[in-house]
Amino acid sequence: DVKVTQSSRYLVKRTGEKVFLECVQDMDHENMFWYRQDPGLGLRLIYFSYDVKMKEKGDIPEGYSVSREKKERFSLILESASTNQTSMYLCASSPGGFSYEQYFGPGTRLTVT
Amino acid sequence: GENVEQHPSTLSVQEGDSAVIKCTYSDSASNYFPWYKQELGKGPQLIIDIRSNVGEKKDQRIAVTLNKTAKHFSLHITETQPEDSAVYFCAASIPGAGSYQLTFGKGTKLSVIP
Repeated sequence: DVKVTQSSRYLVKRTGEKVFLECVQDMDHENMFWYRQDPGLGLRLIYFSYDVKMKEKGDIPEGYSVSREKKERFSLILESASTNQTSMYLCASSPGGFSYEQYFGPGTRLTVT
Repeated sequence: GENVEQHPSTLSVQEGDSAVIKCTYSDSASNYFPWYKQELGKGPQLIIDIRSNVGEKKDQRIAVTLNKTAKHFSLHITETQPEDSAVYFCAASIPGAGSYQLTFGKGTKLSVIP
């Protein structure tokens, strides 16, 4: 089974802190994604990566950056956390090639106070 | 870019009844349409998908239909059970070199009443 793990299930940070959310997949997938999920807004793409050291902006990249130094790991960085970044963050991976299926991690509930 | 609209936002059905969730998309180039189920406390999981060269696909109690002309697709769940209660998301993808993005609908919370 494909497994996507996220470093924390729950995280509480203060405004202005630098926050790192880590995601690891164990199936040698090419593509990785970061979404945020808010009630009534569905899943919105923040950033994605289709190769090591490659990254592309999604629909809502402002206030975020990402890092993919190794194929299995994709990190989301909040340079200076703000209260409007309180949300559920979901990481996903997909094999690439002819497969578009995305496999999701369990999510990190981030609260910024 | 692609825009996906999903309706209804909430749906309650009696156990054993059918449930239908509908989605429309804006970009006629989209050719892949998955449906994800998200149970409480978990990440979304793919339950069925369809490509634009197929009009209908079925997997046991779940079916998806696609109308390319009208740019809409639907999820049908028959003989609903309490374990079908979850949030369902539709999505669409536009093919392209290196592009594996999915644009998601806002979700439908399905409640199956025993």
